[in-house]
Amino acid sequence: DGGITQSPKYLFRKEGQNVTLSCEQNLNHDAMYWYRQDPGQGLRLIYYSHIVNDFQKGDIAEGYSVSREKKESFPLTVTSAQKNPTAFYLCASSMGGKAEAFFGQGTRLTVV
Amino acid sequence: AQRVTQPEKLLSVFKGAPVELKCNYSYSGSPELFWYVQYSRQRLQLLLRHISRESIKGFTADLNKGETSFHLKKPFAQEEDSAMYYCALMTGGFKTIFGAGTRLFVKA
Repeated sequence: DGGITQSPKYLFRKEGQNVTLSCEQNLNHDAMYWYRQDPGQGLRLIYYSHIVNDFQKGDIAEGYSVSREKKESFPLTVTSAQKNPTAFYLCASSMGGKAEAFFGQGTRLTVV
Repeated sequence: AQRVTQPEKLLSVFKGAPVELKCNYSYSGSPELFWYVQYSRQRLQLLLRHISRESIKGFTADLNKGETSFHLKKPFAQEEDSAMYYCALMTGGFKTIFGAGTRLFVKA
């Protein structure tokens, strides 16, 4: 079954801890993205990568980090420096250029 | 600045009525615009893109560069159209900017 998979679906973290969200795709897409979705604010871009071993900050990168060691994987780490981490996180991939994005099912992170 | 504005957070129409979801963008280059839809308990997915000039599920959207708009329209709304709709602008360099979204509620 081809697609983009995020795990876990729900994640709880204690304040002060780092946590890593997984995103894997088997679509052979070059570009991958992380968005944060908050009510009333739509999707805001955290980080994106258009090629392995390269990535760029989006609009709200502070408190987050990523890596792109493999084409199919783009994990997002929410660090303790992120002041308001409780949110719904969406990963997406695309062929690149100006192609449509394919989205994962999302991970809901709650800081307790 | 690159920006996508969807002025309506919620749009409620009766079944069979026309619907228009507004989208305005700000971008100095040549825009590539999309409409994405998220149905209840489903993942966000592409509805249509301006370059295709196609109609999907009865929806159309025309790019108006003079008004910097890309409004989504459907002449007769159906209950199954109820969903969250996002307008998106793809700029150069693989970056996509999304609007805040409009929730469409089609009443029976």
